[in-house]
Amino acid sequence: GQNIDQPTEMTATEGAIVQINCTYQTSGFNGLFWYQQHAGEAPTFLSYNVLDGLEEKGRFSSFLSRSKGYSYLLLKELQMKDSASYLCAATDSNYQLIWGAGTKLIIKP
Amino acid sequence: NAGVTQTPKFRVLKTGQSMTLLCAQDMNHEYMYWYRQDPGMGLRLIHYSVGEGTTAKGEVPDGYNVSRLKKQNFLLGLESAAPSQTSVYFCASLPPGQENTGELFFGEGSRLTVL
Repeated sequence: GQNIDQPTEMTATEGAIVQINCTYQTSGFNGLFWYQQHAGEAPTFLSYNVLDGLEEKGRFSSFLSRSKGYSYLLLKELQMKDSASYLCAATDSNYQLIWGAGTKLIIKP
Repeated sequence: NAGVTQTPKFRVLKTGQSMTLLCAQDMNHEYMYWYRQDPGMGLRLIHYSVGEGTTAKGEVPDGYNVSRLKKQNFLLGLESAAPSQTSVYFCASLPPGQENTGELFFGEGSRLTVL
């Protein structure tokens, strides 16, 4: 079956760094997405990885290892506004998105 | 541009009632999707459309119907609502030429409660 695993909840301190992990099992693979979703709001796109390695976008970076079926989202210099759920999603061989349940990130001052 | 707009934002139904959720996008996107989001679960695809006049089933289509009569609108219907359909529904669309790698643009969501 197809499956995305990510931690349910994480807590971090303002100004610190946090890494949110995601492992995936899909029939075929055509890319890995990360989305941010604030409570009561719609998901918004953060990143897309299809090749192995690290993609950096400001304070956010996303890493992919296709051989390990593994990705992580790295958030640096955490701000209170980063408190949100982070959704990992992988595209299978039919380019259908398989979504994880999301990781709720709590930022403490 | 309004982006992706969903109506209504909130609705309470009684079991057996019917309703339609409307999704409208003004970005000329071909692909449109209806998802439901439930606590502790990932987004699940209900139905999707790859263009005007086309629809296809997603992961959890039972109990729902859709129509795409106009490119900019994608309607999700519940013919006979059940408590299991209590959820937050999200519509999303995808820019042309980015069907495989593009970012989804989501509406604000519609919170539906079935009593």
